[in-house]
Amino acid sequence: DIQMTQSPSSLSASIGDSVTITCRASQSIGRYLNWHQHKPGKAPKLLIYSASTLQSGVPSRFSCSGSGTDFTLTISSLQPEDFATYYCQQSYSTSLTFGGGTKVEI
Amino acid sequence: EVQLLESGGDLVQPGGSLRLSCAASGFTFNNYAMSWVRQAPGKGLEWVSGISGGGGSSYYTDAVKGRFTISRDNSKNTLYLQLTTLRAEDTAIYYCVKDRAVGRAAILDYWGQGTLVTVSS
Repeated sequence: DIQMTQSPSSLSASIGDSVTITCRASQSIGRYLNWHQHKPGKAPKLLIYSASTLQSGVPSRFSCSGSGTDFTLTISSLQPEDFATYYCQQSYSTSLTFGGGTKVEI
Repeated sequence: EVQLLESGGDLVQPGGSLRLSCAASGFTFNNYAMSWVRQAPGKGLEWVSGISGGGGSSYYTDAVKGRFTISRDNSKNTLYLQLTTLRAEDTAIYYCVKDRAVGRAAILDYWGQGTLVTVSS
């Protein structure tokens, strides 16, 4: 299986800050990389797919870059509703795998 | 509006079996692959299994191969996961997830609220 490694595992930030989360794949996955947001007690939500395409309704303050093995998710101007755990997920192989998650806290 | 409603989660003894169901609405069910993803207590997300829109292809993570079976009834817009030989490490919230495409699980675009499976004696 392709291993996905996220860093950091958690971070503290303030409203209005810009934050960056990194995701590294154990082998090249092209641009087959998706990002999900998960809040406690809620259904996870797809934010970005194919490395850079925002899911419908997702604010433009979310962006992603990268290809191959290294990717970054950037949230510019953090809003109160952005405090959550973020997961990267590869769809290069038929056995999907997630990163360990990054918890964004106030 | 896409809706995914899971059911069937329960407390079950190690070695036991359970069947999870997911009732789907708001989209043409047989046009999309579907998946099950789980989250163990205090842990991250783990993809468990996926199935193509027509049901002819299915995929599993190694940890559940031979123990879990995914299936779908497109006439009932329902996805299933049969869990057998359950272990304590299968304890988790199980989410039903829709894909963006028909062929295989890849881009998980809509998630249900989940159903809790607890394996304990």
